[in-house]
Amino acid sequence: AQRVTQPEKLLSVFKGAPVELKCNYSYSGSPELFWYVQYSRQRLQLLLRHISRESIKGFTADLNKGETSFHLKKPFAQEEDSAMYYCALRRSGNQFYFGTGTSLTVIP
Amino acid sequence: NAGVTQTPKFQVLKTGQSMTLQCAQDMNHEYMSWYRQDPGMGLRLIHYSVGAGITDQGEVPNGYNVSRSTTEDFPLRLLSAAPSQTSVYFCASSSPSQGYEQYFGPGTRLTVT
Repeated sequence: AQRVTQPEKLLSVFKGAPVELKCNYSYSGSPELFWYVQYSRQRLQLLLRHISRESIKGFTADLNKGETSFHLKKPFAQEEDSAMYYCALRRSGNQFYFGTGTSLTVIP
Repeated sequence: NAGVTQTPKFQVLKTGQSMTLQCAQDMNHEYMSWYRQDPGMGLRLIHYSVGAGITDQGEVPNGYNVSRSTTEDFPLRLLSAAPSQTSVYFCASSSPSQGYEQYFGPGTRLTVT
């Protein structure tokens, strides 16, 4: 079965500290993974995707096929990073599986 | 561009009532989807469409119907609402030419009593 697991429902870090949001997946094919973010009172939006291998707002995520992980990292957390983060796997076409989400709070 | 729009924003139904959640997009995206968001469950795919006239079931389709008569619109119908359908519903659209990035609507908060 294709699944996405985000083990942390809540994560709190101090401003300036490193942050890592964990995501593990199970998928029998070649995975395509995304991170979506939902800021307070805003729509869910794409943060980054593994194919692009880019850094957005200081966040990076590397696909590790051996560990079946796609953890989201940022070296120095900012208060504006406080949000709900979802890891998602695109199965085929338009079929996405989302994780349960991690609520990140950055403490000033 | 308005992007993805959803109506209504809030709705309260009684058990057994029916209603349609509206979703429209103006980006000419081929793909559209409906998700429900529940605490501790994340987003779960209800139904999706890859083009006008083509729909398919997602993870949790029971109790919901969809149709896609035009590229722009993708309504979600609850034929007989149940308390288990209390949730926040999100519509999204995407295109293969944009890497399948999901563009989400603002959501509809539905309560079934």
